[in-house]
Amino acid sequence: GAVVSQHPSRVICKSGTSVKIECRSLDFQATTMFWYRQFPKQSLMLMATSNEGSKATYEQGVEKDKFLINHASLTLSTLTVTSAHPEDSSFYICSARASSGNTIYFGEGSWLTVV
Amino acid sequence: SQKIEQNSEALNIQEGKTATLTCNYTNYSPAYLQWYRQDPGRGPVFLLLIRENEKEKRKERLKVTFDTTLKQSLFHITASQPADSATYLCALDKGGYNKLIFGAGTRLAVHP
Repeated sequence: GAVVSQHPSRVICKSGTSVKIECRSLDFQATTMFWYRQFPKQSLMLMATSNEGSKATYEQGVEKDKFLINHASLTLSTLTVTSAHPEDSSFYICSARASSGNTIYFGEGSWLTVV
Repeated sequence: SQKIEQNSEALNIQEGKTATLTCNYTNYSPAYLQWYRQDPGRGPVFLLLIRENEKEKRKERLKVTFDTTLKQSLFHITASQPADSATYLCALDKGGYNKLIFGAGTRLAVHP
């Protein structure tokens, strides 16, 4: 089946620094990728929609200057958390929709801890 | 705005029994609804998709129903096994843009 890979799976960074998380579709092309964050025992919250070759669309309440999203190719989207704060510590998950069909495949998630 | 409600309480059942999980939504009926499984610390794994014109869909021991009148989907696992223990998430598209929004999930625990 389709595979979506996230890297890194875990990252610890210091407050004020920036950290980048990659999301790759390994065996299919994804014109659209999505970024979610999930706090413990809570649901996934959609942050933004990443479209290849164009600007990301952010959900209401999500700071676009803080969470930079780039979708440079049909198989790669990146999320950069800028000026990280301990409150940004969370589980970040990406998903990708194949160019055909409605099925969305998720990555394994990335744990971010800001100290 | 669309809201998705899943029973937040954990569902505990005995091995071999059928587990039934409920997903209710408000507002408009989505074109399709999906169910995912999520294990602790892992990303969701797609299980089943059911479209608005489908009443029921099956995949091995899984069965999903979709009642657009009641605005409800039921997810059944027959002959449940301890390995089925996980959190099950209901998701539907947000406004037809293929953006999924999720319910909070129901944690299922299958006891031997």
